[in-house]
Amino acid sequence: QVHLVESGGGVVQPGGSLRLSCAASGFTFSSCGMHWVRQAPGKGLEWVTYLRYDGSKEFNVDSVKGRFTSSRDNSRNTLYLQMNRLSAEDTATYYCAKDRGANWNAATFEYWGRGTLVIVSS
Amino acid sequence: DIQMTQSPASLSPSVGDRVAITCRASQSISTDLQWYQQKPGKAPILLIYSSSTLQSGVPSRFSGSGSGTDFTLTISSLQPEDIGTYYCQQSHDDPFTFGPGTKVDVK
Repeated sequence: QVHLVESGGGVVQPGGSLRLSCAASGFTFSSCGMHWVRQAPGKGLEWVTYLRYDGSKEFNVDSVKGRFTSSRDNSRNTLYLQMNRLSAEDTATYYCAKDRGANWNAATFEYWGRGTLVIVSS
Repeated sequence: DIQMTQSPASLSPSVGDRVAITCRASQSISTDLQWYQQKPGKAPILLIYSSSTLQSGVPSRFSGSGSGTDFTLTISSLQPEDIGTYYCQQSHDDPFTFGPGTKVDVK
């Protein structure tokens, strides 16, 4: 079955950087677009980024443009989120999610990992 | 950006009750609308996609309807395991926005 495991979260100072990873299994990773979705403590869900199956196209929410970059290694079935210039507003649990579409962006979060918590604090 | 609203913000029905949650988009999104359930401390799960298609493995007591700007998630007979927060989400246009959520407790 589909399994997504995020890692790399932790406490980081404002202005710092962090790289999250998402290890995928149970499906053909190289054929699927992937998303990052975040949830601030006690708050709702916010879509962050989408990365096309081949890594050739990325969409980001405005609040992270120029700071966050998603990438993938299809040979390792792993998705990454590089987060730079972090601020307190980025404090959240970050989930990776498999898109329902194959080779196209359905923007539908079919399967989710358990998430990794990022805390931006001095 | 497309804004999503939900009502009610919370509800406390009894087991066996029929429950309806509504979601409204700030502009027409055709049927590009999903529903997710999130239980406390867990990741969300996809219930319904494309407004009315039940995700594989989701109990048939869940159903979705609507198009354009107005959508409804219905639970035909609420079960104790249905407690949690329900979110709608539009896939019509980037950024792919969520509603604020509807918290369901069981009375």
